[in-house]
Amino acid sequence: QKEVEQNSGPLSVPEGAIASLNCTYSDRGSQSFFWYRQYSGKSPELIMSIYSNGDKEDGRFTAQLNKASQYVSLLIRDSQPSDSATYLCAVSSGGYQKVTFGTGTKLQVIP
Amino acid sequence: EPEVTQTPSHQVTQMGQEVILRCVPISNHLYFYWYRQILGQKVEFLVSFYNNEISEKSEIFDDQFSVERPDGSNFTLKIRSTKLEDSAMYFCASKTRDRDKFFGPGTRLTVL
Repeated sequence: QKEVEQNSGPLSVPEGAIASLNCTYSDRGSQSFFWYRQYSGKSPELIMSIYSNGDKEDGRFTAQLNKASQYVSLLIRDSQPSDSATYLCAVSSGGYQKVTFGTGTKLQVIP
Repeated sequence: EPEVTQTPSHQVTQMGQEVILRCVPISNHLYFYWYRQILGQKVEFLVSFYNNEISEKSEIFDDQFSVERPDGSNFTLKIRSTKLEDSAMYFCASKTRDRDKFFGPGTRLTVL
């Protein structure tokens, strides 16, 4: 059974702080890694994708991947109240394969 | 920016009835998916579809479920005889080979 594990939270951070979200996965064959943001009642919205070890930065977001440790993280710098949402970690074997989601971490950014 | 669209946004049905959920994927995408999310739970894969056939399906996707691409634009999910536990948000997604997956806004299915 391929699993993706996340702390459900909530993770509360003050506005302007760095939010750190973590995820581990069980399938060593995973090739593609994603962070989605999901607002309540809405569909998942892709924030970041990462495919190789190391860091990938996009604006205020940085994704980090460590395949040896089977660990993915997302850092959100200068957190804003609008970042308050559930963040879903997801992994795939790549290509057109299905994506396996974690249960998500709820982030609350306190003004 | 092109988007995946889904209709209806909310479907209410009686247990045992058939429902069809509709999706219009992004026009140049070749791979199509259905996922569902029961309230408060994680997003779960149902089925993937490529080249007019199912490429993978999960244990959830039993004989009560079917998918179809009846024309060049629509992608449908049919539930033959709905059960209470089918109540969920159903998300359609599409992608090209080398691009990330895009999700539609979802259809909320309520089975009474």
